[in-house]
Amino acid sequence: DAKTTQPPSMDCAEGRAANLPCNHSTISGNEYVYWYRQIHSQGPQYIIHGLKNNETNEMASLIITEDRKSSTLILPHATLRDTAVYYCIVKQGFQKLVFGTGTRLLVSP
Amino acid sequence: DSGVTQTPKHLITATGQRVTLRCSPRSGDLSVYWYQQSLDQGLQFLIQYYNGEERAKGNILERFSAQQFPDLHSELNLSSLELGDSALYFCASSPRGTGSTDTQYFGPGTRLTVL
Repeated sequence: DAKTTQPPSMDCAEGRAANLPCNHSTISGNEYVYWYRQIHSQGPQYIIHGLKNNETNEMASLIITEDRKSSTLILPHATLRDTAVYYCIVKQGFQKLVFGTGTRLLVSP
Repeated sequence: DSGVTQTPKHLITATGQRVTLRCSPRSGDLSVYWYQQSLDQGLQFLIQYYNGEERAKGNILERFSAQQFPDLHSELNLSSLELGDSALYFCASSPRGTGSTDTQYFGPGTRLTVL
């Protein structure tokens, strides 16, 4: 069972920042927050992960609240190619990934 | 490109048949995971191998089996196929399969259609 809650869908204008929220109120101390996305029927693509500090890479930024009960994935300048289903997953170590229903992000011109 | 390869890309077969899906992990990755994505079930974990040994099992049917070979590639065998087995099958690999955190990288998948 997924341990996260995400809005089913979001819209974003091309060039604007996309902020995707995720609630994980039951996260335990050694669980990481992972974000993946799936474009159409392609393989899920790893985006970013973090434990408690904010993280940034070439794709996105991850902001985790101090109590770690929620996080936000930020795509700073969304493009049409960012249209996808985004999955927020909490995971410890080498555990399997448990995918929920994710957030369907639609980026429009 | 994640570096994980899967063959074939598409597979069409009949009920009752047996098929083998193949996965080559990223260079150096020791752990392989198999996932199934069907329309009504979403992405579901099937099984994990680490350095040739089964590490974890998920919702994998008894008709399905998998193995990881000494060169670390993995195969998923599906037998006595039913219409409901039609799905996308994804393989993922990760560097260690152990430790405090381990990121999985997914292949492009195999689309199986059972007629």
